[in-house]
Amino acid sequence: QKEVEQDPGPLSVPEGAIVSLNCTYSNSAFQYFMWYRQYSRKGPELLMYTYSSGNKEDGRFTAQVDKSSKYISLFIRDSQPSDSATYLCAMRGLGDDKIIFGKGTRLHILP
Amino acid sequence: GAVVSQHPSRVICKSGTSVKIECRSLDFQATTMFWYRQFPKQSLMLMATSNEGSKATYEQGVEKDKFLINHASLTLSTLTVTSAHPEDSSFYICSAPEGGLKEKLFFGSGTQLSVL
Repeated sequence: QKEVEQDPGPLSVPEGAIVSLNCTYSNSAFQYFMWYRQYSRKGPELLMYTYSSGNKEDGRFTAQVDKSSKYISLFIRDSQPSDSATYLCAMRGLGDDKIIFGKGTRLHILP
Repeated sequence: GAVVSQHPSRVICKSGTSVKIECRSLDFQATTMFWYRQFPKQSLMLMATSNEGSKATYEQGVEKDKFLINHASLTLSTLTVTSAHPEDSSFYICSAPEGGLKEKLFFGSGTQLSVL
């Protein structure tokens, strides 16, 4: 079993819809959870990071962490064509140097 | 947010030549920088951790003599692909943690290397 699992998509949704992106993981030691957005042939951009369980909101983005289920989510409200990109989840344990990335989910927002 | 500048963005070279990629943290100091490799539709694969003033730490399976890393200052790390071959063609990305917070990684824009 891979440490981080993420559905590669592509996921296509109409403009204005709520998008739900998810990752599961197997390592219960993970404490920090991040979401990155990557446009084609560009470096990833940090969107959100959370520590341990709970929710965090920033504008149209909400990150959720459920450590009991080893499941994290990113919600995008009022999705826009400019949100079309690949979204990578990432996580690491307390004291770990290495961040483990998911493979990324390709998202297409249809105008 | 913090800015990490990476150059060049694209390089095409002949097999057997060496290619140097630069990664600079523009508005913060980074004692540690990370180098990744990414294949199409694949995730980021950590190659090595660059440490200012000391030797880089390489991940298992990454040839340190092939991928030379130098972290000469608190704002600059370089990756040199020596004697490049077509199988080295890939997208290389560097990153640096702002304020030493490893969960707040800022990435360069990446370098697409094509070896003919």
